[in-house]
Amino acid sequence: DAGVIQSPRHEVTEMGQEVTLRCKPISGHDYLFWYRQTMMRGLELLIYFNNNVPIDDSGMPEDRFSAKMPNASFSTLKIQPSEPRDSAVYFCASSFALSRGGLNEQFFGPGTRLTVL
Amino acid sequence: GQQVMQIPQYQHVQEGEDFTTYCNSSTTLSNIQWYKQRPGGHPVFLIQLVKSGEVKKQKRLTFQFGEAKKNSSLHITATQTTDVGTYFCAGQNNDMRFGAGTRLTVKP
Repeated sequence: DAGVIQSPRHEVTEMGQEVTLRCKPISGHDYLFWYRQTMMRGLELLIYFNNNVPIDDSGMPEDRFSAKMPNASFSTLKIQPSEPRDSAVYFCASSFALSRGGLNEQFFGPGTRLTVL
Repeated sequence: GQQVMQIPQYQHVQEGEDFTTYCNSSTTLSNIQWYKQRPGGHPVFLIQLVKSGEVKKQKRLTFQFGEAKKNSSLHITATQTTDVGTYFCAGQNNDMRFGAGTRLTVKP
């Protein structure tokens, strides 16, 4: 398997523009996570899905952020409108539930480095 | 809600010195995972601890899970420049929460 795939790897946009980040999880994984990483705030969990259903979106900063998972092999994180403070590296990760309970390790994608000017 | 605190935030050592990072949870955990992120890279899984008092070793790395399953540590013996990066713990209860990470730099 190619691992978790994210696109684009880099995105530079202007304030006010819509940004869409994409993620393809590892086949067979039923959990998908979106994280944001900055120097100031570290690694923040934004939202996670189980079987394509959003379970916890309490980390989503505000209404400008939205995430969808239309099927088991694809998820998007959208920012509309984007602001300079959204500049960060956005990671997608996937995992699967263990038979004894809990989650297996999370496999992270390479990340999307977003710069909002 | 569940919180995972990790200290120190930064650690700078001379090559050959030991290094330890500590993770503490406000609630009892079902398990804890450790990840390493190299500069410019993404977090990569190192290990998972499940049992109370569990100790696991990976070469120069020693991982411990506290008896109460609320704290954990990662110890690196005789650091090398290849150990540079940020080490994260991730505690799992109802969900999984990452600590803020400890950034390790190693001076050759």
